This record gives sequence, C-alpha cells and structure tokens, in this order.
Amino acid sequence: GAGVSQSPSNKVTEKGKDVELRCDPISGHTALYWYRQSLGQGLEFLIYFQGNSAPDKSGLPSDRFSAERTGGSVSTLTIQRTQQEDSAVYLCASSFQGYETETQYFGPGTRLLVL
Amino acid sequence: SQQGEEDPQALSIQEGENATMNCSYKTSINNLQWYRQNSGRGLVHLILIRSNEREKHSGRLRVTLDTSKKSSSLLITASRAADTASYFCAIGANSKLTFGKGITLSVRP
Repeated sequence: GAGVSQSPSNKVTEKGKDVELRCDPISGHTALYWYRQSLGQGLEFLIYFQGNSAPDKSGLPSDRFSAERTGGSVSTLTIQRTQQEDSAVYLCASSFQGYETETQYFGPGTRLLVL
Repeated sequence: SQQGEEDPQALSIQEGENATMNCSYKTSINNLQWYRQNSGRGLVHLILIRSNEREKHSGRLRVTLDTSKKSSSLLITASRAADTASYFCAIGANSKLTFGKGITLSVRP
C-alpha cells in the first residue's frame, strides 16, 4: 500500500506569512507524529496524535505552531507568522498504534524556507 | 527527555570496510531502534532491539545492546557506496521514541 505522503515537498514563504503543511499517514495507522529537522541536526519532536486521545503537544516550540488531525487520518501543521528560524524540513511519521516498540514510517518531508 | 547520543558524528570509510556506529543513553529503555536517512528526506527503519535482547542481525546489519553500559552499536559489514547516509538511533522509553542527532556515514567507492 501507499506510504506516508506529505505536501508540499518544498515551500518558500516570506517572513510573517502563515503556512500549512499536510500529512497523509498510512491507512489504518492510528498514531501520527510531526518532527522538525534543522540543517545538520537531529529530529525535534513537535506533536503526537494517537487515536481519539488528546494530542501530545509538548514539543511545539511556540504558540505560532499548531496541528490538527481530522477524522483520525490527515493532519495539517500550521505555522503562523513564520520566522526565518522556522526554516527546516518538517517530517511526518505514522505508526500502527503508537507504541514505542513500533516502527515509525516517515514521509519524505516538507522543506520550508522562510525568507 | 531521553535522547540517544551517537558517536562518532561523522564517519568516512572505504567501500568494503565495516562501519561501526555507537549510541549511548542515560536512563532505562524499553527498546532502541536505528533509522537511516538519505539526503535529508524521510527516515527508514532499519532494526529494533528490545531491552532484553543483546544482539540482532538483519542482512549486513548487526546491532548490539549493552544495558549495563547504556549503549548500543550498529555495525554495517562490507559497506557499499549506497550505504552513504545519516544514521539515527531512537530510544523507546516512557511511551515515546526520541531520536538522536545522527551520524553521517560516507562510503568512498
């Protein structure tokens, strides 16, 4: 079946604009994760959705960042009033039930550049 | 938070040589996973080792886990140019998977 998909693959925006990044997880996966990876850095956890539970937002760096997951499937990460330091690759991953012993399947990422 | 620290940060070897990458952590874990990333895009899962396991193999990959030393090693045998990538260890603990900063492996043809 299809893997995790993300759109757009690349996004260039001007400082102060809002952006929306989309993630389509693997069908049937109840857990969905967003990470941020700055140039040459590791993965920074942003937010985690699992089924109908309240999302774990502990990694969101500021209130300019928010995410939704509609119908337990597609997720949108929104960054308001973008700043240059928001430039990074935003990666989405999904797993079957969200247990720490499961494999996370990653999308190809959205490369965001804020000018 | 529980984050693995990989060592070395970068590794350059000749094709055919073995590559050894290490990951250390600080607290108790449930499992440890290794992932690979090509060209700054999505990560691909390589192998998982549980806290009660000491060694696992998958093709040319061998992973060891020493819970007394709180460390793991990923060995890639008979490396190929196509193994050039970044490798991340991910610590599974407290219902979370936390990724390290990664090791950049370059395999020279």
